Amino acid sequence: EVVMTQSPATLSVSPGEKATLSCRASQSVSSNLAWYQQKPGQAPRLLIYGSSTRATGIPARFSGSGSGTEFTLTISSLQSEDFAVYYCQQYYNWPPWTFGQGTKVEIK
Amino acid sequence: QVQLVEFGGGVVQPGRSLRLSCAASGFTFSSYVMHWVRQAPGKGLEWVALISYDGSSEYYADSVKGRFTISRDNSKNTLHLQMNSLRAEDTAMFYCAGARGHGYGLDYWGQGTLVTVSS
Repeated sequence: EVVMTQSPATLSVSPGEKATLSCRASQSVSSNLAWYQQKPGQAPRLLIYGSSTRATGIPARFSGSGSGTEFTLTISSLQSEDFAVYYCQQYYNWPPWTFGQGTKVEIK
Repeated sequence: QVQLVEFGGGVVQPGRSLRLSCAASGFTFSSYVMHWVRQAPGKGLEWVALISYDGSSEYYADSVKGRFTISRDNSKNTLHLQMNSLRAEDTAMFYCAGARGHGYGLDYWGQGTLVTVSS
């Protein structure tokens, strides 16, 4: 099973600043990695797939990078609506399809 | 627009059964593999099960294997999760989600249905 590890657990950022979230896989997942955003009381929403491709309707301030075992989600200028929990997920080596434990982005 | 609506959750005693359903609309249901993903209160996302486009293949997390069964009815655009021998640790919000294939991200998500296992 591929274990996904996200860091940090919590990220405190001021509105307008950049946020950088990390995700590490216990073995290579190529570029088969997605990022999701989840706001309180809501379902997760797909942000990024294929490590770097934005899903439909996702603003350009969200960008993803990486391959193999190291991945990054960058939010270039945080807006109020971006404060949420972010999960990475691999879909290269399955089953199971595994998620990271999440990074909470909170207002500093 | 794409909609996934889960129903069937509720409070159930340990050892009992429950059947969740997910009604899909706004996309070609039979062209998507379907997942169930759960989230225990205050915790992260845990993948539960996947069913292939035509229902011919199923995959399960070890934590539910032998107790849960995923199925789908493409004629009714509906996904199901039969949950037997429920345990307290199965308490969670259960989401259905659709993906274009086994090796794709989960494009579409429902709002979830809450399952509480308690005596």
